[in-house]
Amino acid sequence: AQSVAQPEDQVNVAEGNPLTVKCTYSVSGNPYLFWYVQYPNRGLQFLLKYITGDNLVKGSYGFEAEFNKSQTSFHLKKPSALVSDSALYFCAVRETGNQFYFGTGTSLTVIP
Amino acid sequence: KAGVTQTPRYLIKTRGQQVTLSCSPISGHRSVSWYQQTPGQGLQFLFEYFSETQRNKGNFPGRFSGRQFSNSRSEMNVSTLELGDSALYLCASSLDVSSTDTQYFGPGTRLTVL
Repeated sequence: AQSVAQPEDQVNVAEGNPLTVKCTYSVSGNPYLFWYVQYPNRGLQFLLKYITGDNLVKGSYGFEAEFNKSQTSFHLKKPSALVSDSALYFCAVRETGNQFYFGTGTSLTVIP
Repeated sequence: KAGVTQTPRYLIKTRGQQVTLSCSPISGHRSVSWYQQTPGQGLQFLFEYFSETQRNKGNFPGRFSGRQFSNSRSEMNVSTLELGDSALYLCASSLDVSSTDTQYFGPGTRLTVL
């Protein structure tokens, strides 16, 4: 069965510092992994995805994520956090033919 | 290109009533999925439609139903509303039904059941 876990409900980081939002997954086949961001009273916005190939994926707004098959992880990273990055972040996984499974979300607060 | 639109944006109903939510996908997108978002539960998958056919269904009671029309627009219906149905209902569209396709989300419909 597919599942995805975001072990941290809340992450706080100082502006200008690097940020990491963690995600681990469980699938029986090849995973397709996605990151989305949600601002208050808005829908989810797509950030990036991993399908195959290079383990380091670059996405919107300076975000990147690293696929690690041995650790079944897909952590979201950014070298220098901005206050405007404060939002709710969701990791999602999908297998061929199946539905998307989303994590419960991580609330990121960037402190000025 | 216009994004995913959902109507209405806000809805207040009472227990026992039924409700219909509407979703218009991005032009050219043929797959539509629905999710329920509640605090602490994250996004729970309801159903996925492609070419008017339901392809996947989540673990929700039969009170939740949906359909897709020939123009790819989709509706979901919740009958006999319960207090626990209060949530943000999100619709997402993708170009096709491939598992690698990105889903693009609408702003959601906020349903409050009193």
